[in-house]
Amino acid sequence: DGGITQSPKYLFRKEGQNVTLSCEQNLNHDAMYWYRQDPGQGLRLIYYSQIVNDFQKGDIAEGYSVSREKKESFPLTVTSAQKNPTAFYLCASSTNRQGSSNQPQHFGDGTRLSIL
Amino acid sequence: EDQVTQSPEALRLQEGESSSLNCSYTVSGLRGLFWYRQDPGKGPEFLFTLYSAGEEKEKERLKATLTKKESFLHITAPKPEDSATYLCAVQEGETSGSRLTFGEGTQLTVNP
Repeated sequence: DGGITQSPKYLFRKEGQNVTLSCEQNLNHDAMYWYRQDPGQGLRLIYYSQIVNDFQKGDIAEGYSVSREKKESFPLTVTSAQKNPTAFYLCASSTNRQGSSNQPQHFGDGTRLSIL
Repeated sequence: EDQVTQSPEALRLQEGESSSLNCSYTVSGLRGLFWYRQDPGKGPEFLFTLYSAGEEKEKERLKATLTKKESFLHITAPKPEDSATYLCAVQEGETSGSRLTFGEGTQLTVNP
C-alpha cells in the first residue's frame, strides 16, 4: 500500500544526545514536511522540502536539522540544542506539480519523543 | 502573518445531535483551506479541500463550507465513531509555496 512510514513510533533522548527520526514515503510525492505537535495544540512547521537536495526552514527550525538526499526520504535530527524536544513529530508529503500546489498533505502516524 | 483560529476548543455531543465547528482565518490570499481528522496517537487524515467562497464539500455525515473569512464543518446526526480532533489549515498565496498553517483543533466527543 502507498503511504508514509515514520519510525520509530516511540523514542527516548538522553541529555546532550542527538536523535534522528525517519520518514519514508512511496507516494512519489515531491514535497515533504516535518511538524511538531504539543498536547492540545495544532501543528507547527519545522522544515519542509519541495524537491530533492533543497529544503527550507519553517516556523520553529531552531535545534533541528534535515536532509533530502532521496525523493522518498526526509529524516529529521533533533539536536542537543533543542531544549524542549518532548513532543509528537509528524511527517507529511504532497505532490508539487506546477499548478497543483494546493494539493492536500498526507501524514504518517508520528513519532513520540520523550526525554529520559 | 497568517492566523487560523478554531472554535470551540472542545465539544461534547449526544449521538444524533447535529452541530458545527468553526475555522476563521486571516491570510493575504487564500489558495486552499483543508480539513483533517486526527485520532489519538495518529497522524491527521485528510477530509476536504475548499478553494473559493461559496464552495461546499460533503462526505457521509460531514459537510464543509467556506466563506471569505471562515469555514464551517457541519456534523449531521453524529455517531460515537466521529469522536476525534478536527483540524483546519490554510494555504496562502504564491510566496509560501505549498506550506500550510494549522489551527489548534476542535476536540469532538460524541456520547452514545
